[in-house]
Amino acid sequence: EPEVTQTPSHQVTQMGQEVILRCVPISNHLYFYWYRQILGQKVEFLVSFYNNEISEKSEIFDDQFSVERPDGSNFTLKIRSTKLEDSAMYFCASIPSVEYYNEQFFGPGTRLTVL
Amino acid sequence: EDKVVQSPLSLVVHEGDTVTLNCSYEVTNFRSLLWYKQEKKAPTFLFMLTSSGIEKKSGRLSSILDKKELSSILNITATQTGDSAIYLCALNSGGSNYKLTFGKGTLLTVNP
Repeated sequence: EPEVTQTPSHQVTQMGQEVILRCVPISNHLYFYWYRQILGQKVEFLVSFYNNEISEKSEIFDDQFSVERPDGSNFTLKIRSTKLEDSAMYFCASIPSVEYYNEQFFGPGTRLTVL
Repeated sequence: EDKVVQSPLSLVVHEGDTVTLNCSYEVTNFRSLLWYKQEKKAPTFLFMLTSSGIEKKSGRLSSILDKKELSSILNITATQTGDSAIYLCALNSGGSNYKLTFGKGTLLTVNP
C-alpha cells in the first residue's frame, strides 16, 4: 500500500542551525501539508501546499520556515535558524485531491531536537 | 477560529470494558470530522464523518456525528490492550486547502 515517507526519523541540531526535513508524499497526491506536535501537545497545522505554492500557512509558519517541492517527488520543510522551541515532531501529510478527499495520509514523522 | 475539544483527556480501563470518547467543536464552515489513532508516531486514520446520525463502524470501533450538538463520539467495545493509544479528533473546515484542526486527544490506557 502506498505511504508517505519522511527522513530523517530523528534530527538533532544546535540552536541557530538550519535544518531540512524531507517528505515523499504518495505519488499521485496533489495537496501537501506539514504539521508539528510539540511533546505532550496537540498536532498543529503549519502549512499547506498545492500547485507549487503555499495555499495557507498558520501563525507558527513565520519567516524562519519555508517549503519547497524541488522535484516531482520530494516535499521539504526548511527551518532557517532553529530555536529551542522548534523541538517537536514534524509530520508531513498528503491527499490525492479535494474531489476524492477521505483522509489525510500522514508520514511517520521526524523528531527534531534543538539543543 | 475553529476549535476542537476532546474529553476526557485521559482514561484508564480494563480489558473488555466499553469506552466512549467525546469530541465537540466550534467551526465556521464544517466540512468533515475525522478520528485518528496515534500510537507511537504518525496518526492512523479511523473514520471520517460528514453526515449527522450515520454511524460508521469498523470492527469494535464505531463513531457518529451530531451536527446539531456540534459533537462526535467514538465508541470502542470489548477493549484490548492494543487499543491503548491517543485518539485524536480533527476538523476539516472551510477554505480550499483541507487543513485539519486537531483536538488535544484522549489518552486511552487499557490494562489487562
